[in-house]
Amino acid sequence: AQTVTQSQPEMSVQEAETVTLSCTYDTSENNYYLFWYKQPPSRQMILVIRQEAYKQQNATENRFSVNFQKAAKSFSLKISDSQLGDTAMYFCAFMKAGAGSYQLTFGKGTKLSVIP
Amino acid sequence: DTGVSQDPRHKITKRGQNVTFRCDPISEHNRLYWYRQTLGQGPEFLTYFQNEAQLEKSRLLSDRFSAERPKGSFSTLEIQRTEQGDSAMYLCASSSQGQSSYEQYFGPGTRLTVT
Repeated sequence: AQTVTQSQPEMSVQEAETVTLSCTYDTSENNYYLFWYKQPPSRQMILVIRQEAYKQQNATENRFSVNFQKAAKSFSLKISDSQLGDTAMYFCAFMKAGAGSYQLTFGKGTKLSVIP
Repeated sequence: DTGVSQDPRHKITKRGQNVTFRCDPISEHNRLYWYRQTLGQGPEFLTYFQNEAQLEKSRLLSDRFSAERPKGSFSTLEIQRTEQGDSAMYLCASSSQGQSSYEQYFGPGTRLTVT
């Protein structure tokens, strides 16, 4: 079974600053996907960024980038130029690739507050 | 296309009653998922459909829970004889088949409170 650990229950960052959210995972699989999802207060979960384990290059989506360290089983999210709209719960998630399974395994989340 | 929708958004019920939730996926998506999220936790997988076939079920899905997707479009999740421990947010997600099949799009959820 896979586990996902987010060790920072809450974080805060000043508007326009950079923040990094941590995520580690445990798996015996070699092929998998990793995701960061954002859940704003009282709003639905949105996919922020994804990473395929077979790709060495770190994924980037505008102000969001990841640092994927496969050997260390680490997958951190960096948010640059933080904006008030980034205030949300952030969940790290894991999915096995292939084998017909599309189950996402989530961490407990990190609550990010962006301070004006 | 307005995304994944869920109905109702909130449901309050008394212990022992049955409840049913509905999920309408993104129209071209043939895969549909149910998750449960309790306070302070990440979502936990319950079950998954490809078209009308239920292909995967979690051990969390006790015999009081049943999910259907009769025509491969919308899905329902029924909880029989609700218990206080069933209080949670029930999330539905959908994905397409093909290159982006691993990207799941979530609905707003149904918040269940069992009194």
